[in-house]
Amino acid sequence: AQSVTQLGSHVSVSEGALVLLRCNYSSSVPPYLFWYVQYPNQGLQLLLKYTSAATLVKGINGFEAEFKKSETSFHLTKPSAHMSDAAEYFCAVSDQTGANNLFFGTGTRLTVIP
Amino acid sequence: EAGVTQSPTHLIKTRGQQATLRCSPISGHTSVYWYQQALGLGLQFLLWYDEGEERNRGNFPPRFSGRQFPNYSSELNVNALELEDSALYLCASSTGLAGVEQFFGPGTRLTVL
Repeated sequence: AQSVTQLGSHVSVSEGALVLLRCNYSSSVPPYLFWYVQYPNQGLQLLLKYTSAATLVKGINGFEAEFKKSETSFHLTKPSAHMSDAAEYFCAVSDQTGANNLFFGTGTRLTVIP
Repeated sequence: EAGVTQSPTHLIKTRGQQATLRCSPISGHTSVYWYQQALGLGLQFLLWYDEGEERNRGNFPPRFSGRQFPNYSSELNVNALELEDSALYLCASSTGLAGVEQFFGPGTRLTVL
C-alpha cells in the first residue's frame, strides 16, 4: 500500500526566502511521485512529477524536488519565495502496479510574509 | 484546449437525498478519477474509470457510485446523503497510462444540510 506524510500543515516564509516543503512516502513498489498546488477555490495544478528518470526534478514556477530512495523522501524546494506562491501544496504517490489513483498527503499551507 | 469541466459548481442537498455530479475530461483522455476533499480529511480517492469500466475503488461505502459514458464523461452518484458527505468533489482525467499527470477540474462543492 502507498501512503504519503507531509510534515508541517502550515509553513510560513518571508518573501525571498527558501521554501522547503517536506514529503515522505511509503510504497512497496517503485513509486511515481507528484507535487500539486491548489489555490483558493480552484482545482489542483501539477508542479512536478518523478517517474524514475532523473532524481532531481524541475517543475513550474521555479520549484524543484529531489527523489531520495534511501530516505523515502521527495521534498519540494524553491530558492526564493514569491507572494504568488501562497497556496496549499499536496504531495501524492501512485505506483507501477497499474492502479493509477493517487494517494495524497494531508497538504501544507504555505504563507509568504512580505 | 479545454480543461476538465465539472458541474454543477455548487450543490445543496438535504440528508437522505441523492446527488449527481458530472465531469467532462480533456479531449483524448480515457481515464476519469473522482476524489473527495473533505475538511480535515484531506484528498481521498473515490473511483477510477477507464474505457467505460470501473478500474479501482477507494474505501468508500457502496452508496458512492458512478459510471463513465461512451464519450468518456463521467458522473458520480451519492445516495442516501449524510452530513459528512459535505465536501469538495474533484474530478481528474488522464490518458490512463501509469505515472502520467492527472489534470483536475475546479470541483463541485456539495453541501448536505
